[in-house]
Amino acid sequence: AQKITQTQPGMFVQEKEAVTLDCTYDTSDPSYGLFWYKQPSSGEMIFLIYQGSYDQQNATEGRYSLNFQKARKSANLVISASQLGDSAMYFCAMREDPGANSKLTFGKGITLSVRP
Amino acid sequence: SAVISQKPSRDICQRGTSLTIQCQVDSQVTMMFWYRQQPGQSLTLIATANQGSEATYESGFVIDKFPISRPNLTFSTLTVSNMSPEDSSIYLCSVSGGRQGGNEQYFGPGTRLTVT
Repeated sequence: AQKITQTQPGMFVQEKEAVTLDCTYDTSDPSYGLFWYKQPSSGEMIFLIYQGSYDQQNATEGRYSLNFQKARKSANLVISASQLGDSAMYFCAMREDPGANSKLTFGKGITLSVRP
Repeated sequence: SAVISQKPSRDICQRGTSLTIQCQVDSQVTMMFWYRQQPGQSLTLIATANQGSEATYESGFVIDKFPISRPNLTFSTLTVSNMSPEDSSIYLCSVSGGRQGGNEQYFGPGTRLTVT
């Protein structure tokens, strides 16, 4: 079974509107971390936001927030007030096991296009 | 956040040759990770490099093909040996660390490799 599932086809959003990118995950570990990355056409992987499985509140970083629903094993990324520069690939990833020295497992990614 | 640099940023290589990619971090880190992203695909972990010991390779990756060095806590190299067109990918190094107790994970800008 896939550990990280991103099934949305290419997403489109109007500039200044909010958009939600879906991510579901599968793990039996009680302790894990969830990540979102942005990859523009340049290829770099830009860290956006992190959510720990034991975190009491949903993570937020500026215009990015993570809608963490543990029971449903979903970790959707919400981008508010979309900008043209938000057009990119977005990857959801998970780290199982506690600590920072475990690998990340990535989803297949979602393409987001922001329309002017 | 950690600042990571990679050299070269891109290269075009002939099949049968080898390329060594360098990764430099601006702070000492225990683990460095090497990922590969084939065209249109997600990221896959190649190996984890711990200073002072041999790298740990993921299933499907072997040391003879992807030898890794980790001479100190801020530097690592990945060599892609005896290259074929299937090795055309973006290669990214990654480290853990950040203000959230080290749970964030950052990536270098990547090395875009084309094998002809």
